[in-house]
Amino acid sequence: SQTIHQWPATLVQPVGSPLSLECTVEGTSNPNLYWYRQAAGRGLQLLFYSVGIGQISSEVPQNLSASRPQDRQFILSSKKLLLSDSGFYLCAWSPGGYNSPLHFGNGTRLTVT
Amino acid sequence: DQQVKQNSPSLSVQEGRISILNCDYTNSMFDYFLWYKKYPAEGPTFLISISSIKDKNEDGRFTVFLNKSAKHLSLHIVPSQPGDSAVYFCAASAKALGAAGNKLTFGGGTRVLVKP
Repeated sequence: SQTIHQWPATLVQPVGSPLSLECTVEGTSNPNLYWYRQAAGRGLQLLFYSVGIGQISSEVPQNLSASRPQDRQFILSSKKLLLSDSGFYLCAWSPGGYNSPLHFGNGTRLTVT
Repeated sequence: DQQVKQNSPSLSVQEGRISILNCDYTNSMFDYFLWYKKYPAEGPTFLISISSIKDKNEDGRFTVFLNKSAKHLSLHIVPSQPGDSAVYFCAASAKALGAAGNKLTFGGGTRVLVKP
């Protein structure tokens, strides 16, 4: 069966520090991969998605970037964190194609201080 | 512009009764709709989905209804159980997006509390 791993679960970082969140998927190949963010009391906002290695699409302009160095690995990064980057970050995968639900990891709670 | 809206931020229901969650959308290109359930500090888990070619889909205690003319969908939970207490998100996608066809747009969520 397929599983998705996301770490760390919680992270407290000072303003201006770098960020690297990692997500890996097991039990499938060539998945679509996604990074979402949930701000406090808000819905889920799509940040990036990828349909293949090295292919990244950004949904909103921001202080973050994403990379997909391997088929089942998706990384969310920032060179210098802002206070507004605080939130709950979720990685998700889907088998691709259409009419297939996304499956989410357990998320990373990022607090920028 | 919020393309998917859940206008009720919270809902309280007695155990055993029906929970009805509502969701409205504005983009007429949306043709696949989903409901997710989320507990605190966890990722959302997929509950049920419906394609625009249907108006109802049922899975156990969960039923999703789609009214395309009104651009409205709802989730019915019958009977409601204390373990159903969570935040529920509706989401939508459009085939016209091509390779990213299941790029989901989410509503803001409805917090459900089921009282024993």
